Amino acid sequence: AQRVTQPEKLLSVFKGAPVELKCNYSYSGSPELFWYVQYSRQRLQLLLRHISRESIKGFTADLNKGETSFHLKKPFAQEEDSAMYYCALSGPGSGYSTLTFGKGTMLLVSP
Amino acid sequence: GAGVSQTPSNKVTEKGKYVELRCDPISGHTALYWYRQSLGQGPEFLIYFQGTGAADDSGLPNDRFFAVRPEGSVSTLKIQRTERGDSAVYLCASSAAGLAGYNEQFFGPGTRLTVL
Repeated sequence: AQRVTQPEKLLSVFKGAPVELKCNYSYSGSPELFWYVQYSRQRLQLLLRHISRESIKGFTADLNKGETSFHLKKPFAQEEDSAMYYCALSGPGSGYSTLTFGKGTMLLVSP
Repeated sequence: GAGVSQTPSNKVTEKGKYVELRCDPISGHTALYWYRQSLGQGPEFLIYFQGTGAADDSGLPNDRFFAVRPEGSVSTLKIQRTERGDSAVYLCASSAAGLAGYNEQFFGPGTRLTVL
């Protein structure tokens, strides 16, 4: 069965500190991995996907197939990064259509 | 352009009642998804439409839940004999048809359902 695990419910850091939001997954095959973000009073939106290898808003995430991880990192957190972050995967079993989400991590960046 | 819209934004009902939740996808998007998000959880897949047909309904929890998309655009999620455990935010998303593989899903604001 496919599963996404985000071990931290809440991550609290000060502005300018490095951030790492952890994500581990379980899937037999080659999934696509994503990070979604939900800012306060806004809808869920895609932040980045592993296949595009982009840096979005200073965030990066590297897929580590050996450790089955897809941690989200940013070297210097900003207050506007405060939001709920969800790791998700999509697999060939569903034609890469449906998403399986983790429970989410709330990132709180204090001034 | 307009994003995915969902109505109502909030719905309060009594146990045992029937409810309908509506989703208007982005114009031209052929794929439509329903997810359910319970408190403290991530979104959980319910059903996925490609055009008018349900391509995958493996996430529907039981036969009280069903969804339709008769003209390949608007979709309605229907819940019969609601139970308190059905209380959650119901999210709708849509995506364009494209090359094989993942197409970005755009989410609506959700409908918060409360069953008393």
